[in-house]
Amino acid sequence: GNSVTQMEGPVTLSEEAFLTINCTYTATGYPSLFWYVQYPGEGLQLLLKATKADDKGSNKGFEATYRKETTSFHLEKGSVQVSDSAVYFCALRIIQGAQKLVFGQGTRLTINP
Amino acid sequence: AAGVIQSPRHLIKEKRETATLKCYPIPRHDTVYWYQQGPGQDPQFLISFYEKMQSDKGSIPDRFSAQQFSDYHSELNMSSLELGDSALYFCASSLQGANYEQYFGPGTRLTVT
Repeated sequence: GNSVTQMEGPVTLSEEAFLTINCTYTATGYPSLFWYVQYPGEGLQLLLKATKADDKGSNKGFEATYRKETTSFHLEKGSVQVSDSAVYFCALRIIQGAQKLVFGQGTRLTINP
Repeated sequence: AAGVIQSPRHLIKEKRETATLKCYPIPRHDTVYWYQQGPGQDPQFLISFYEKMQSDKGSIPDRFSAQQFSDYHSELNMSSLELGDSALYFCASSLQGANYEQYFGPGTRLTVT
């Protein structure tokens, strides 16, 4: 089946620290990969995406590279800010067939000033 | 830009009651998805519609039903509510096709007492 596994949280960092949140996936078909962010009390916002192997998605200083050989899509940011505190979800969508998203369990990130 | 609208934002019901959640997609989006996010959990796909027809079905209980109307808005009907139905219910909309993103609404928080 299709599944996504994220590193367990919560993750607590100091401002300006380097961030990595690991994400690996299992897919029966060829997936597109996504990172969504959920701020407290809000809905899910698309942070970045990659649709084929070796693509790099980037947005707001965050980056993730689609690695087919390691079935991974790790999220990175060089210098985090307090405003980055949120829950981050890795997700996949199989290109063929239904378009539903399959999410990982989420990683809660807290940035301290 | 117009976003996905969900109503109500908060709903409190008692066990065995019924609830109706509404979703208004972004204009011109023809596909609607429903997800359920339990406390501290990742969003789980429930059901989706394309051009008013059910396009995919996930882990939706038989007590739930949904439909998409001619104006593309969708309603999720939940009957015989149980305590375990307490969750955040998200609606997302998109254009049909693998290259189109899903845009999420703010969610409806359902509390069953």
